[in-house]
Amino acid sequence: DQQVKQNSPSLSVQEGRISILNCDYTNSMFDYFLWYKKYPAEGPTFLISISSIKDKNEDGRFTVFLNKSAKHLSLHIVPSQPGDSAVYFCADSTQGGSEKLVFGKGTKLTVNP
Amino acid sequence: NAGVTQTPKFRVLKTGQSMTLLCAQDMNHEYMYWYRQDPGMGLRLIHYSVGEGTTAKGEVPDGYNVSRLKKQNFLLGLESAAPSQTSVYFCASALRGFRPEAFFGQGTRLTVV
Repeated sequence: DQQVKQNSPSLSVQEGRISILNCDYTNSMFDYFLWYKKYPAEGPTFLISISSIKDKNEDGRFTVFLNKSAKHLSLHIVPSQPGDSAVYFCADSTQGGSEKLVFGKGTKLTVNP
Repeated sequence: NAGVTQTPKFRVLKTGQSMTLLCAQDMNHEYMYWYRQDPGMGLRLIHYSVGEGTTAKGEVPDGYNVSRLKKQNFLLGLESAAPSQTSVYFCASALRGFRPEAFFGQGTRLTVV
């Protein structure tokens, strides 16, 4: 069954340092993995994605790494800024088959000035 | 450019009442999703649709029904509301294929008393 796990409910970092958010998945089909950011009282907004045929995708300060053997992905934010403080969700988008888009429970990131 | 619009934004229901949440998207997306967000539970998929006239169950479908009569609209119904359905509901739509990212509405905060 398609599952996504974010085992860290919260993370606190200093402004300018690196933030690393982690996610584990169970599905073995061809997937895209996505990261979303959510501020309070707003809908989630798409941040960055990676195809399961790639190891890395970079967009400005955000980089996602995919370790297929460990079924693990991580989002790196460098340098972290106070405006990055939000809840981050990873999601698994199965291509073919069930076509579900399944999310983890989220990690609340706090970037301290 | 409205994107994904959810109606209503807030609602209070009494136990046993029924209501319909409306989601409308103007991006000609094939896929649409309904999620609920509860503290500590992340975003859980209720139902989804891969095209006009299709619906499928997600992770937590019990107590909800959906319809996708028009491509741009995805309706979520509660036939007999229960306090356990108090939540924030999010609708999303996606093009899928090589563009798997989903775009979310602003959410509907529903309280069942």
